[in-house]
Amino acid sequence: EVKLLESGGGLVQPGGSMRLSCAASGFTFTDFYMNWIRQPAGKAPEWLGFIRNKANGYTTEYNPSVKGRFTISRDNTQNMLYLQMNTLRGEDTATYYCARRALGAVFDYWGQGVMVTVSS
Amino acid sequence: NIVLTQSPATLSVTPGESVSLSCRASQSISTSIHWYQQKSNESPRLLIKYASQSVSGITSRFSGSGSGTDFTLSINRVESEDFSIYYCQQSYSSLYTFGAGTKLELK
Repeated sequence: EVKLLESGGGLVQPGGSMRLSCAASGFTFTDFYMNWIRQPAGKAPEWLGFIRNKANGYTTEYNPSVKGRFTISRDNTQNMLYLQMNTLRGEDTATYYCARRALGAVFDYWGQGVMVTVSS
Repeated sequence: NIVLTQSPATLSVTPGESVSLSCRASQSISTSIHWYQQKSNESPRLLIKYASQSVSGITSRFSGSGSGTDFTLSINRVESEDFSIYYCQQSYSSLYTFGAGTKLELK
């Protein structure tokens, strides 16, 4: 059974940093692009970026809205996905999901999400 | 960016009715549209991929159609478990985007 479990959220001050983690299980982690998607309360999801699979060299792509502030990485020995968020702003307040991208850019599995609140 | 416009924003229905939800893209995206259901306090769940392809484990009451700029998610004989928010998402552009959603509520 595919499982994705995020952790690391909470309250952070504006300008601060936070790292989110996502533990993956139930599938061959290195075969898949892994994504971060966020969703402010009451709003639509926003794709943040992905890290490619082994066959594509684990390179990354980002939404311009977070490029330069957010970094996606993975530890393939531990089946872990990470999101490093720097210079956080109030508008970064949201529930953050990790999601597996199936063939063709469809998000077929999502984690349960973790809340990040940016506030003083 | 490709903008997806969903309509209506809210749809009030009675169980047993059949409904259609619309998603319109700001440019032609072939059939690169996918539909998700999000129940309250849950993560989104994939319902339909590539406009009309079924997803394993999803009831056949859900179906999709369309190509180019206009897409439709149809729900046959709405059941109580279907009252949720539905989002469309495009993968035609490398900057993936979602629509604002349609809330299906009980009339």
